[in-house]
Amino acid sequence: GENVEQHPSTLSVQEGDSAVIKCTYSDSASNYFPWYKQELGKRPQLIIDIRSNVGEKKDQRIAVTLNKTAKHFSLHITETQPEDSAVYFCAARSTGTASKLTFGTGTRLQVTL
Amino acid sequence: EAGVAQSPRYKIIEKRQSVAFWCNPISGHATLYWYQQILGQGPKLLIQFQNNGVVDDSQLPKDRFSAERLKGVDSTLKIQPAKLEDSAVYLCASSLGSYQPQHFGDGTRLSIL
Repeated sequence: GENVEQHPSTLSVQEGDSAVIKCTYSDSASNYFPWYKQELGKRPQLIIDIRSNVGEKKDQRIAVTLNKTAKHFSLHITETQPEDSAVYFCAARSTGTASKLTFGTGTRLQVTL
Repeated sequence: EAGVAQSPRYKIIEKRQSVAFWCNPISGHATLYWYQQILGQGPKLLIQFQNNGVVDDSQLPKDRFSAERLKGVDSTLKIQPAKLEDSAVYLCASSLGSYQPQHFGDGTRLSIL
C-alpha cells in the first residue's frame, strides 16, 4: 500500500518568514495530493490540493509543488502569520476502486512574533 | 452549506464496554469515510462507503469494530468491546464522490479508562 513520509515534524518560524513542509510517497500511481490544516481540537481543513498532471499550484500565500519523478511534494507558506500556527498534514491518494487517502504524520508549525 | 456533523464530541468509557459514534455527511455527498486519529499521528482510514455499500474496510479491526450506512446517508461506527489502544479521535469525512475532496467533521474524542 501507499506510504507517506512527512518532514519536519516540528517547524518554528518568525512572523513574515516562509515555511516549507515536505512529503514523499511510495506509490507512483498516486494521483492526488491534498494538504490539511488542523488547529488544536478542531477538524482537519483542506487548504490546497494538487493533481498529478500539474506541477505547481498557488493560492494567495500558499503554494504546493509536485515532483512525480522523485515522488515528493511540498507545501510552501509565504509571509507567515500567527494564525498559520497549526498542524499540517499531507496526503496521497492511490488509484483504484477505493481511492484511499494515506496521510503523513503531520508537521506542527509555530509562527512566533 | 452545513458541514459534516458528528456526535458525541467526547466519550469516556471503561475497557470492554461498547460505544457508538454517529455521522451525518454533507447533503448530497455519496462517499463517507471513518478515520481513526491517534494523538500525534495523521488520520488512518478505517472504512469507506459509497452510498450504502462498503468500498474499503481493509484497516477496520472487524473483530471489534463495525460500521453501517443505512439508506446511504447517516452512518454509525461501533466498537465492542473497547480496548485501551482504541483511545483516539474518530473523524468522519464525506465527499461528492470517491475522487472529490474530502471534508471532515469535528470528530469524537474517545478515552478508554
